[in-house]
Amino acid sequence: EAQVTQNPRYLITVTGKKLTVTCSQNMNHEYMSWYRQDPGLGLRQIYYSMNVEVTDKGDVPEGYKVSRKEKRNFPLILESPSPNQTSLYFCASSPLPWDTQYFGPGTRLTVL
Amino acid sequence: EDQVTQSPEALRLQEGESSSLNCSYTVSGLRGLFWYRQDPGKGPEFLFTLYSAGEEKEKERLKATLTKKESFLHITAPKPEDSATYLCAVWRGYQKVTFGTGTKLQVIP
Repeated sequence: EAQVTQNPRYLITVTGKKLTVTCSQNMNHEYMSWYRQDPGLGLRQIYYSMNVEVTDKGDVPEGYKVSRKEKRNFPLILESPSPNQTSLYFCASSPLPWDTQYFGPGTRLTVL
Repeated sequence: EDQVTQSPEALRLQEGESSSLNCSYTVSGLRGLFWYRQDPGKGPEFLFTLYSAGEEKEKERLKATLTKKESFLHITAPKPEDSATYLCAVWRGYQKVTFGTGTKLQVIP
């Protein structure tokens, strides 16, 4: 089944404790992206990747890192999480830019 | 500044009562406009892609249209299962995506 998977689905952590949210797609898509969704603000793009080793900032990249060492994986790294990073995070992939994006199920992160 | 604005924020319809959702945008270098449906706690689900003004797409009770400044999602004779949040997104420049904040639709039996 073609899909985007994210892990973990739920995470509660404390300020400053490094964490990684994994994202994997099995559709051989070139483009991958991370979003956060907050009430009243909608989905906002954090980082995106055009291909392996090619990543760039979205609209809200502060406090986040990403890497794309393999085409299928695009982990989101929070090296020192803060409470303002409490949010619902979505990973998405598409064959190319401007194509339909397929979203993962989401990761709900709480930073205490 | 690139912006995507959706209206209304919330819409309550009786089953069978047709209506339209609006997505207006001011972006440089529009590459495409997408409509998604999102159910609570789930990831957005793709509905339509529109690439040029004048384009229209239909799927069951939904029809999406695009002009140079806005897009409409028309819902004909909605059913309770159409209740969801509908999101509009634009690809801008070459690689970036901007979403609107969505319209929460409730269809009452």
